[in-house]
This record gives sequence, C-alpha cells and structure tokens, in this order.
Amino acid sequence: DQQVKQNSPSLSVQEGRISILNCDYTNSMFDYFLWYKKYPAEGPTFLISISSIKDKNEDGRFTVFLNKSAKHLSLHIVPSQPGDSAVYFCAASARTGGFKTIFGAGTRLFVKA
Amino acid sequence: ETGVTQSPTHLIKTRGQQVTLRCSSQSGHNTVSWYQQALGQGPQFIFQYYREEENGRGNFPPRFSGLQFPNYSSELNVNALELDDSALYLCASSSRGGVLAGGPHTQYFGPGTRLTVL
Repeated sequence: DQQVKQNSPSLSVQEGRISILNCDYTNSMFDYFLWYKKYPAEGPTFLISISSIKDKNEDGRFTVFLNKSAKHLSLHIVPSQPGDSAVYFCAASARTGGFKTIFGAGTRLFVKA
Repeated sequence: ETGVTQSPTHLIKTRGQQVTLRCSSQSGHNTVSWYQQALGQGPQFIFQYYREEENGRGNFPPRFSGLQFPNYSSELNVNALELDDSALYLCASSSRGGVLAGGPHTQYFGPGTRLTVL
C-alpha cells in the first residue's frame, strides 16, 4: 500500500533551468509534507516542508507547492545547480498517526553542467 | 549541537543470527524513529520511540524490536535474521512538545548502518 508515490525514478535537467519533482499521496489524514535530499553514503537531509493549511512554501531556490484537492505536491528548484544532483524523497506525516512519516521511493535528479 | 550518529557503519551477519544497531539522537531531541531502506526504495518506517515507549509501528514482524534509553539514545534489535533483512537501517530523531527548530514532523537522520545478511 503505497501511500506516497513518486512516479519518476529519475530526472535530468540542465544547469540553470528549473527542476520539478512530483509526488502524489492517497491518505487525506496527512497534514504535513516534507522533502528530503540524500547523497550517497549519507542519511536523508531535511530540505523543505509545508503544512496542509498552506499551498506554497518557499526557501531560497526551493519552493514546494501543495494541491490538496489533487493530493499532489511538487518541489521546484530554480535555478538548478550541479550540487543539487541527489535523490529526493517526498514524505508525509500525520499528527493523528503520532507523526509517523511515510516516504516515497525517491527521484534521482541529475543536473548537467 | 551534536548530530545523529549510528553504529556500526557496516555489519555482516549470517541468516538466523541476531543483530543490535545503535543510535544517538541529536541533542535535545526526545523522539527516535527507525527506518529500513532497501536498494532503490524509500525509507520504510519500522517504529518510533517517544519517552522510552514504542509509539507507532510499521509493517514489520515482532522479531524487529527496539529500546529508547533515558538519554534518548536508541537500539534496534533484529532476531532470526533473514536474507531480505539486508538493507540500510536509518535512525532519525525529532523533537515533540518542544520549541526546537523543525518541530515534531521534521526528522534528522543519521548516516545509517548497512546490514548484509548472508
């Protein structure tokens, strides 16, 4: 039962362009959504999050958009940089679930110089 | 501020053996979660500990068990190891009920323990 889905295993983008990573979820009880970034041989690192009461959150080059009616969120990175090349995980949690976090399978982003 | 640390880094066991993995939480964090990450997949939630008690469990059998200590460090124990238990095991800490950055939803991960079962 995949409650959080990232349907694109990989994405390749030219340096300076926009990267858009997508995520879908099925559980309407989720009230908080997060994006984590993972480099090889390291644990995931928190990147940006959004509460279900908002539809957009921005932090520098990173913006997360939430569409609750479609149960869809996306991460925009602009401009993309070679150092952004990593695996990005979408995650969701629910206060009613004791903050248990469900992760998607990840999208590997390649930013070409 | 000390980050999340895990030990050991790598571990090789044989089927049927038992293993204990250890995790030290980030300073000030009172909640620890454990995840299993198989190759090509996202982290799968095993369980979470808050104030030394299990507080939520994923779809893992009882041979996966854990402990949280008064200093909020934690152990993951796996009995009767199976070949499919080979994975990266991640520990993550967070803060519930406090005012630290990130709140209860945001988790800070350790580098993981790579377990290989032969």
